[in-house]
Amino acid sequence: GAGVSQSPRYKVAKRGQDVALRCDPISGHVSLFWYQQALGQGPEFLTYFQNEAQLDKSGLPSDRFFAERPEGSVSTLKIQRTQQEDSAVYLCASSFPGQGFSEQYFGPGTRLTVT
Amino acid sequence: GENVEQHPSTLSVQEGDSAVIKCTYSDSASNYFPWYKQELGKRPQLIIDIRSNVGEKKDQRIAVTLNKTAKHFSLHITETQPEDSAVYFCAAKATDSWGKFQFGAGTQVVVTP
Repeated sequence: GAGVSQSPRYKVAKRGQDVALRCDPISGHVSLFWYQQALGQGPEFLTYFQNEAQLDKSGLPSDRFFAERPEGSVSTLKIQRTQQEDSAVYLCASSFPGQGFSEQYFGPGTRLTVT
Repeated sequence: GENVEQHPSTLSVQEGDSAVIKCTYSDSASNYFPWYKQELGKRPQLIIDIRSNVGEKKDQRIAVTLNKTAKHFSLHITETQPEDSAVYFCAAKATDSWGKFQFGAGTQVVVTP
C-alpha cells in the first residue's frame, strides 16, 4: 500500500513568510511524529500526535511552530515568520499503534530553505 | 531524557570489508533499538532492530548487538558492497512510552570498490 507522503517536497521561503507542510500518514496509523533534520544530523523530535490529540510538543523550537491533526489523519506543520535557522528537512513518520515495538515509517521529507 | 551518541561520524571501508557503528544511550528504560539507513535525498528506512531481551540479531550481512549493562549497541555490516553507502542512524526508545525515539547523529558510510 501507499507509504507516508509529504508535500511539498521542496519549499523556498523568504524570511518572514509563513509556510505550511503537509503529511499524509499510512492509513490507519494512530501515531504521527514530526522531526526536524538539519544537514548532517539525525532527526530531532518536534511533536507527536495520537489520533487527533497532540500529546507532546516539547520539541517545537519556538511558538512560531504549530502543528495540527484535526481529524486524526492528515497533519500540517506550520511555521510562522520563518527564519534562516528554520532551514532543514522536515520529516513526518507514522506508526501503529505507537507504544511497544512499533516501527516508524518515514515520509520523504520536505526540504525547507529560508532565504 | 534520552541521549544517544553515535560513532564514528564517517566511515570509509573497502568493498568486502566489514563496517561497525557504535551507539550509546543514557536512559536505562530504553528497550527498543532500531537502525535506519538513509540514502542521499531519501527517507530513513528501518534495516534492523533489536529488543532488550535479545543480545544479538542477524539478518544476512547485517547484525546488531546489544549490551544493556554497558548501555551500548552496535551495527555490523559484513562483506560491504557499494550499495551499502549511506547514512546510518541508531535510535532508542522505551516501549512503555508512546513512542518518542531519540536518534543518534548518524554515520556516513562510504564503500569504495
